[in-house]
Parts: sequence; C-alpha cells; structure tokens
Amino acid sequence: DAKTTQPNSMESNEEEPVHLPCNHSTISGTDYIHWYRQLPSQGPEYVIHGLTSNVNNRMASLAIAEDRKSSTLILHRATLRDAAVYYCILRDGGSQGNLIFGKGTKLSVKP
Amino acid sequence: GAGVSQTPSNKVTEKGKYVELRCDPISGHTALYWYRQSLGQGPEFLIYFQGTGAADDSGLPNDRFFAVRPEGSVSTLKIQRTERGDSAVYLCASSFRQTSGANVLTFGAGSRLTVL
Repeated sequence: DAKTTQPNSMESNEEEPVHLPCNHSTISGTDYIHWYRQLPSQGPEYVIHGLTSNVNNRMASLAIAEDRKSSTLILHRATLRDAAVYYCILRDGGSQGNLIFGKGTKLSVKP
Repeated sequence: GAGVSQTPSNKVTEKGKYVELRCDPISGHTALYWYRQSLGQGPEFLIYFQGTGAADDSGLPNDRFFAVRPEGSVSTLKIQRTERGDSAVYLCASSFRQTSGANVLTFGAGSRLTVL
C-alpha cells in the first residue's frame, strides 16, 4: 500500500467545520482512500472511503483532489466527541489484506 | 453479537508467562485481523486470516507469537515467554468484502496487556 502524509495534530473549535488533510502522491489507480478514527481507549472506527469522486455520509465528507494525490476529510460541525486520532489509509480495491496505519492526526476540539 | 468482542479487556502478567487473547468477530465476516498498538503509535499489523488459514503473518514479530482460527470464526492470539516489550493494546478486527470492492474493517475495543 502506498504511503500517506498527515499533520501530527490539529485544533478546532466546537461547532465549526474541520478540514483534515492527507497527501498521497504515490497513489495508484486502484487505491481507495480510507479514513478511520480512534477515540480515546477505543479501537479504530471506519469513517469514510472513496476512489475518485467526493463522498458524503452521516459522519463526514471526503473531498478528493482531481489528480488524487491528496484528499481532505471534512467534519461539518465539530463536537467534543469528534476529538480523536484520524488515520488516512490507502487500500488497493481488490485487496482484503491488512490496513497499514501511520501515526494519524490528533484532533483536539475546544468548547 | 453486534460487534467484534475481545477478551480479556485487561491482562496483567509476569515476564516469562504465557498469555492468550481471544477475538470473537462479527458473524459472517470471513477475514480477521490482529494488530497491536503501543502508546502514541498507530496500530501495527500482526496477522490476517481468511477463513481458517493465515493469509499473511508477516507482522508477527518473532516465534513467541502465534495465532489460530480453527473454525473460521473465533481467533486466539498466543504469546509465549512474555517480555516487558510485549506490553501494548492488542486489537482485533473483522471484515467481509464490500460491494464497492474496498472492504471495511470493524475493530474491537482491544485487550490491554501489561507485562511486569
């Protein structure tokens, strides 16, 4: 799986939008972009994934650059419960193999 | 059950002892994964099962670590002659192939192992 680069940490205010960036310049044509998050003392939790088009679900939105070399996870209104480590991971579409986690971005949300 | 269940949630043992950690995946999930996570780090892959067989065990750090999944459901991670460096949270996840072709993992809450 290709490598991703994320900032170590970010801060946000409650009720404001949060944009979490991820660079993946070596992405291949069959790689899906996955996001997971890990709340304190819990296992990672799936957030969203996409291939080429922007994606929306009840948790977040995923904006994918046209050249697919970067993407942004968007939390539309941050809450205190969104404070977590967010991981951006590339996954070959035909693979059921393991996910390779980096260190992720630690998001702090201020009231 | 509704989610991935891991037992025990906490295990404290002494250096040199043998430890077993259990994972109960979501019913119907054919793939099962073990990871371990040290403080401040992302999860580190250990082993992945497809059905009963280990499809990829390249992450097991040495021969003290072993995992089984005899009936293609529950899995046990076994650690022999534990060392203080084995202290970590051991995470289990399961999945089945999504219709999009990109499968999603569901993780358990983990088993925290402390080796004194």
